[in-house]
Amino acid sequence: DAMVIQNPRYQVTQFGKPVTLSCSQTLNHNVMYWYQQKSSQAPKLLFHYYDKDFNNEADTPDNFQSRRPNTSFCFLDIRSPGLGDAAMYLCATSRDRERGDTQYFGPGTRLTVL
Amino acid sequence: LAKTTQPISMDSYEGQEVNITCSHNNIATNDYITWYQQFPSQGPRFIIQGYKTKVTNEVASLFIPADRKSSTLSLPRVSLSDTAVYYCLVGDADTGRRALTFGSGTRLQVQP
Repeated sequence: DAMVIQNPRYQVTQFGKPVTLSCSQTLNHNVMYWYQQKSSQAPKLLFHYYDKDFNNEADTPDNFQSRRPNTSFCFLDIRSPGLGDAAMYLCATSRDRERGDTQYFGPGTRLTVL
Repeated sequence: LAKTTQPISMDSYEGQEVNITCSHNNIATNDYITWYQQFPSQGPRFIIQGYKTKVTNEVASLFIPADRKSSTLSLPRVSLSDTAVYYCLVGDADTGRRALTFGSGTRLQVQP
């Protein structure tokens, strides 16, 4: 019944050690998003894929990259995690990018940076 | 960027109706208004969406006045399990973007 799946749910990495977070979807949606949510803050959009077209937010640090090898999967790569990158990372999907399209969120991956 | 303004927090008791109002003065003509609910350590969950007047589903109602510069999420007879953060999203009137920007949200605490 799961629609947006994120693995792992909890990830611990060391300062500067590259880490990859995974998201998969069974909805066959065209759009996949990555959000960062720090403690007691609202989710902040990092980037999204519309099919294979990558759309980066202007203020997303270069340290954050993403890959979408196929419709179902999307990865978030943090090249050199800093202490400030500790957060919940949320993956979401939507059928399209029309104004009324609902976003479906996964449970999130909580990243700890030591 | 279009901004939404919501109360930071609200308190209620079980069985009461809760109304959370969101202000979105810069909403674009063809933007929808969408509300999400988020529990701790979970992803946001879609609650309701509307364009104008009133929308009702099995969970909530959404009231949108004619000028669409605000909207009110109504939760009938809340229970302890409704304790969560509620986010209101609209599009970006300046750039025409979709509803991708979360506001600060309203933290609802329901007490017995």
